[in-house]
Amino acid sequence: GEDVEQSLFLSVREGDSSVINCTYTDSSSTYLYWYKQEPGAGLQLLTYIFSNMDMKQDQRLTVLLNKKDKHLSLRIADTQTGDSAIYFCADHGSGNTGKLIFGQGTTLQVKP
Amino acid sequence: DAGITQSPRHKVTETGTPVTLRCHQTENHRYMYWYRQDPGHGLRLIHYSYGVKDTDKGEVSDGYSVSRSKTEDFLLTLESATSSQTSVYFCAISQGERGYTFGSGTRLTVV
Repeated sequence: GEDVEQSLFLSVREGDSSVINCTYTDSSSTYLYWYKQEPGAGLQLLTYIFSNMDMKQDQRLTVLLNKKDKHLSLRIADTQTGDSAIYFCADHGSGNTGKLIFGQGTTLQVKP
Repeated sequence: DAGITQSPRHKVTETGTPVTLRCHQTENHRYMYWYRQDPGHGLRLIHYSYGVKDTDKGEVSDGYSVSRSKTEDFLLTLESATSSQTSVYFCAISQGERGYTFGSGTRLTVV
């Protein structure tokens, strides 16, 4: 079945850029998502990208999609301590059930 | 924002007892989902619903059942709780291309 993989941990210094990577296996993906989870909370949608796009920018966030390699990345510019959280990549395949397949989550640690 | 609430927020139960978690939404969304979150596994789909009385299994459905008798409520039942079902459970509703809106989660501990 479809799978989504992420590295588990990333540590950066405040003010640096963070890049979180994700790979997926479903060649029929329609949308891909990035969610953020702060401690003790549910997941919040950060941004998403259509599969026919290569890039999407939203303030400090840049999403890059390489469909050929099935690789998605999230870049956070000028990373702040408030960006410390778990970031999940999710894939919406071509089916009509709305099911999302999630990666394991990447814990981003931002050091002052 | 879609209104979605989960109850209870925390629960401790004994092995072998039945447990029901509730998810309530206020905006008439058709698709609802139950996920569990465990370290190293991300979120895994337990069951989902695509309408009243219409449900289907996800990847980790063993030991769980669901019911949806009204559009707004989606119940997850652990028939006989086991320690392996200790987890954080999230309910979600689909908002089409904008993905999911999640509830705040239920932390379940089975002792």
